[in-house]
Amino acid sequence: DAGVTQSPTHLIKTRGQHVTLRCSPISGHKSVSWYQQVLGQGPQFIFQYYEKEERGRGNFPDRFSARQFPNYSSELNVNALLLGDSALYLCASSRHGEELFFGSGTQLSVL
Amino acid sequence: GESVGLHLPTLSVQEGDNSIINCAYSNSASDYFIWYKQESGKGPQFIIDIRSNMDKRQGQRVTVLLNKTVKHLSLQIAATQPGDSAVYFCAENRVQGAQKLVFGQGTRLTINP
Repeated sequence: DAGVTQSPTHLIKTRGQHVTLRCSPISGHKSVSWYQQVLGQGPQFIFQYYEKEERGRGNFPDRFSARQFPNYSSELNVNALLLGDSALYLCASSRHGEELFFGSGTQLSVL
Repeated sequence: GESVGLHLPTLSVQEGDNSIINCAYSNSASDYFIWYKQESGKGPQFIIDIRSNMDKRQGQRVTVLLNKTVKHLSLQIAATQPGDSAVYFCAENRVQGAQKLVFGQGTRLTINP
């Protein structure tokens, strides 16, 4: 069975641009969460979506937004990119309330 | 704010020795913890979990100990192998509307031959 898949794997953007990251959950998982992992630190919670509704949001500015589609895949959008947005963005899927399975992430570099 | 943190950023051990990775937390109401392993270029991978109604849980070559009195947990890896080289995170699993993992900063485990 395929695990959590994320695309693209790497991305380079410049300050002020917009980026969209994509995530396909494990089949049967209806919950998708997004985490930001800055180099040398642990992942930080950004969003959780379940059944296409936002269930929670971490301490991130409004430049960060997400959505979940009817097939439970998800997109993370970041507007007006800053240098500090450079990080590994991780997507995790789960059955509601159960173990999270992480993808390999999208490495975003903002120049 | 309330946090989860690790004691040492790096740990180096000889192949075949046991490894102990420590983690402290500040919220006395925390009741569910998970240890993750993250290899280079990959996302975190579940190793073992423990709830606050237990003080010890064992898996294959791994043991997690929870001391609620001093708000400390540890991950013990027996007979470490080269494949154990990775960054290890403890995380608190919080459910407050959303299911949210609060990670510590991680310990990089290096295995010497």
